[in-house]
Amino acid sequence: ETGVTQTPRHLVMGMTNKKSLKCEQHLGHNAMYWYKQSAKKPLELMFVYNFKEQTENNSVPSRFSPECPNSSHLFLHLHTLQPEDSALYLCASSQALRGDLTYEQYFGPGTRLTVT
Amino acid sequence: TQLLEQSPQFLSIQEGENLTVYCNSSSVFSSLQWYRQEPGEGPVLLVTVVTGGEVKKLKRLTFQFGDARKDSSLHITAAQPGDTGLYLCAGAGYGQNFVFGPGTRLSVLP
Repeated sequence: ETGVTQTPRHLVMGMTNKKSLKCEQHLGHNAMYWYKQSAKKPLELMFVYNFKEQTENNSVPSRFSPECPNSSHLFLHLHTLQPEDSALYLCASSQALRGDLTYEQYFGPGTRLTVT
Repeated sequence: TQLLEQSPQFLSIQEGENLTVYCNSSSVFSSLQWYRQEPGEGPVLLVTVVTGGEVKKLKRLTFQFGDARKDSSLHITAAQPGDTGLYLCAGAGYGQNFVFGPGTRLSVLP
């Protein structure tokens, strides 16, 4: 495996279900991100982890719960979602965040989530 | 909150034509990136620009960062069907995370 992988690629869930999205990076990076990409909105940053510590929570509803057990893995736990949460959820990784340094983000292919 | 606008929103051209897409903001960015995203895939980084007035070339793609570091353009020469995709710009202020624009969806017809 190379780069950033995400599973599952597609997920359909009811509003009362609980599911988890998984992201794994094989690039030796120490920062990982969750983004939401909706049809009519720009890519929205949800969470940032730097060396396994959450450094950004961009006012995301509590029905989305991230987990970063180590620098290579990132999860997004989902529960009691709403239909408007249907979107493409993208994971990305980069070198560790330090001050003003510019970093390159490498994205996974995303999980297409549909909430019914 | 920093906001990025991209224009045009959609662009459909014939193979071999030239095109320019734009990324604009009222905010100053310390760095700006361009990505291309193909259907069913995540965005792929094309370039990062950090100096006002900077011009970078990547084969048939030319990227320019505005002098005031508030805007950027992407010019494609002799477009090919393989250039089809969603072009995203993303800007970051000092010590801040990147903010993405809504994208320009390009279709190059053979």
